[in-house]
Amino acid sequence: NAGVTQTPKFQVLKTGQSMTLQCAQDMNHEYMSWYRQDPGMGLRLIHYSVGAGITDQGEVPNGYNVSRSTTEDFPLRLLSAAPSQTSVYFCASSSGLAGINEQFFGPGTRLTVL
Amino acid sequence: AQSVTQLDSQVPVFEEAPVELRCNYSSSVSVYLFWYVQYPNQGLQLLLKYLSGSTLVKGINGFEAEFNKSQTSFHLRKPSVHISDTAEYFCAVKKIKAAGNKLTFGGGTRVLVKP
Repeated sequence: NAGVTQTPKFQVLKTGQSMTLQCAQDMNHEYMSWYRQDPGMGLRLIHYSVGAGITDQGEVPNGYNVSRSTTEDFPLRLLSAAPSQTSVYFCASSSGLAGINEQFFGPGTRLTVL
Repeated sequence: AQSVTQLDSQVPVFEEAPVELRCNYSSSVSVYLFWYVQYPNQGLQLLLKYLSGSTLVKGINGFEAEFNKSQTSFHLRKPSVHISDTAEYFCAVKKIKAAGNKLTFGGGTRVLVKP
C-alpha cells in the first residue's frame, strides 16, 4: 500500500500560470480532501469529496477547482495562480460513513507563486 | 461554525520533562476531537481521537488527552518527552453530523525538545 501520494513535491509558478496538484490513494477510501497549511493558521479545508462524482467547497475554495472522476484520484487545479496561494498543500483520505475514521495525509506539495 | 484555539504557538521543553499542549474549541453542536502530529517535512499523523465514552484518551507514543466538556477543552499531555517528539501538534474537531471528513484545525503548537 502506497497510501496517499501527492505530486509534485515542490513547484514554483509565476502569477497567472495554471497547474494541477495530483493526489491519489490506493485504500479505496470514499472521502478525500484538500487542505492548505499556512504558518500560524493550521490547516484549512479547500475542497472535499464524499465519493466519485461528488465534490463540495470547504473553508477557502476561491481560486481552486477539483473533480473526482474515480475513487482513487482527486486533483486540485489552480486556474490562475496568485502569490496568496503560496502554501503547503495536503491531500487526505478516509473511510467510514461519518468520516470518524482516521484521515490519512499525503506528504504535501510546497507551492511558491512569484 | 466551529473554531479551535491552541493557546501556545511554541513550547520548548527539556528531554524527559512532562509537556502539556492546550486546546480549546467552540461549537454550537457536538463534535469529535483529534490530535495530529506533523514531523518535519512530513504529512500529518493521527495521535489520538475522542469520539465518546471515557474522557481520558490514550494515543500512540505515550500521549494522552482529556476531554472536558464544561471547559470545551481537549489538552494533550505526555509525562516524559523524547528528542523524537520534536514536531508540530495540531488539535482538530469535526461536527458529528457533518458529511464527509471536514476537519477544523487549530493553528498548531511547535514542540522543541532540548537535550
